Amino acid sequence: AQKVTQAQTEISVVEKEDVTLDCVYETRDTTYYLFWYKQPPSGELVFLIRRNSFDEQNEISGRYSWNFQKSTSSFNFTITASQVVDSAVYFCALSGYSGNTPLVFGKGTRLSVIA
Amino acid sequence: DADVTQTPRNRITKTGKRIMLECSQTKGHDRMYWYRQDPGLGLRLIYYSFDVKDINKGEISDGYSVSRQAQAKFSLSLESAIPNQTALYFCATSDLGAATGELFFGEGSRLTVL
Repeated sequence: AQKVTQAQTEISVVEKEDVTLDCVYETRDTTYYLFWYKQPPSGELVFLIRRNSFDEQNEISGRYSWNFQKSTSSFNFTITASQVVDSAVYFCALSGYSGNTPLVFGKGTRLSVIA
Repeated sequence: DADVTQTPRNRITKTGKRIMLECSQTKGHDRMYWYRQDPGLGLRLIYYSFDVKDINKGEISDGYSVSRQAQAKFSLSLESAIPNQTALYFCATSDLGAATGELFFGEGSRLTVL
């Protein structure tokens, strides 16, 4: 069975600090996809990134970066120089091969960035 | 207009009432899903459908039923609502032709059962 663990329930940082959100996953599939979604206070779910299991290169998008390590089954998300607008709940998710298994989500990490 | 539309967006009802949450999509996707979100529990899958004739139970299907009326429509019903079904409900779609399983979400339906 697939499982995603986000051990950090809530994180609070001061604006401009860097923050890393942890995600650890379990799967027996050799091919799978990992995702991060953001849920701002308004409630909608915003797609941030998709990464397939064959691509272990880190990815950077502006202040956001993702570190995928197959050896530790982790897909961590770092926000550099955090801003108040980054305050949200962040979900990590996992899908199986060919998308035939619905996404399994972690319980989410609530990030509060204080001005 | 949103690609995935949920109605109603907010609903308050009483214990024992029948409630239907509707979802329609214009993305042309074959696959549709209903997830439930509770604080601290993340998103949990209720039901999913890979095509019009296919319905599958998810992790927490008890107390819910679904209907896939057309490729574009997927409704979730609570036959007799109870207070612990108070939650934020999300409909989502995904593309059969995409191997990633990436989901496209509606804006959510907040249900309160008194």
